[in-house]
Amino acid sequence: EPEVTQTPSHQVTQMGQEVILRCVPISNHLYFYWYRQILGQKVEFLVSFYNNEISEKSEIFDDQFSVERPDGSNFTLKIRSTKLEDSAMYFCASSENRDTYEQYFGPGTRLTVT
Amino acid sequence: SQKIEQNSEALNIQEGKTATLTCNYTNYSPAYLQWYRQDPGRGPVFLLLIRENEKEKRKERLKVTFDTTLKQSLFHITASQPADSATYLCALVAAGNKLTFGGGTRVLVKP
Repeated sequence: EPEVTQTPSHQVTQMGQEVILRCVPISNHLYFYWYRQILGQKVEFLVSFYNNEISEKSEIFDDQFSVERPDGSNFTLKIRSTKLEDSAMYFCASSENRDTYEQYFGPGTRLTVT
Repeated sequence: SQKIEQNSEALNIQEGKTATLTCNYTNYSPAYLQWYRQDPGRGPVFLLLIRENEKEKRKERLKVTFDTTLKQSLFHITASQPADSATYLCALVAAGNKLTFGGGTRVLVKP
């Protein structure tokens, strides 16, 4: 069964450093998302991406964040200058198209900022 | 502001019984509501989607109801099994296919 994959599974970085989290969505899916979950808290929407542009973004997704689809398979989230409060589990998700609403999530990348 | 609330207390249930979880929302008029399962340290897994014009949806041992007047969805697991132990998340769909999640209810099914 096709699945969303994410790398790395765990990333430790120092405050102020840049990180890139990588995702490979399901191959025939066209809509991509990033969510995050701080330990013990709700899953929070960051950004949705469709047709090579951001469709929607949350207040969390400020200028420190960016997304890219550099090729036909990868979808990345970059945090330019990490802060302690960016420590969280980051989930990538994909859905078939803009008219199908069920989303398929990857296993997540645990980001620890020290 | 928009709010989605799920019972934050864990639900302990005996194997074979029906677990019923509640999702309430305010300041929202969603066209779709979804339920996901999340195991510790893992990503949410899609279970069911229900539309605003549907009262009830079933999938195997799962049943979801959606009452747009009460602004509430109920999620039922019938004939529960220990393997059903997980956190169950309610999510509403907004513009840009953005999902807004509730805090989840942890279910523990005891043999």
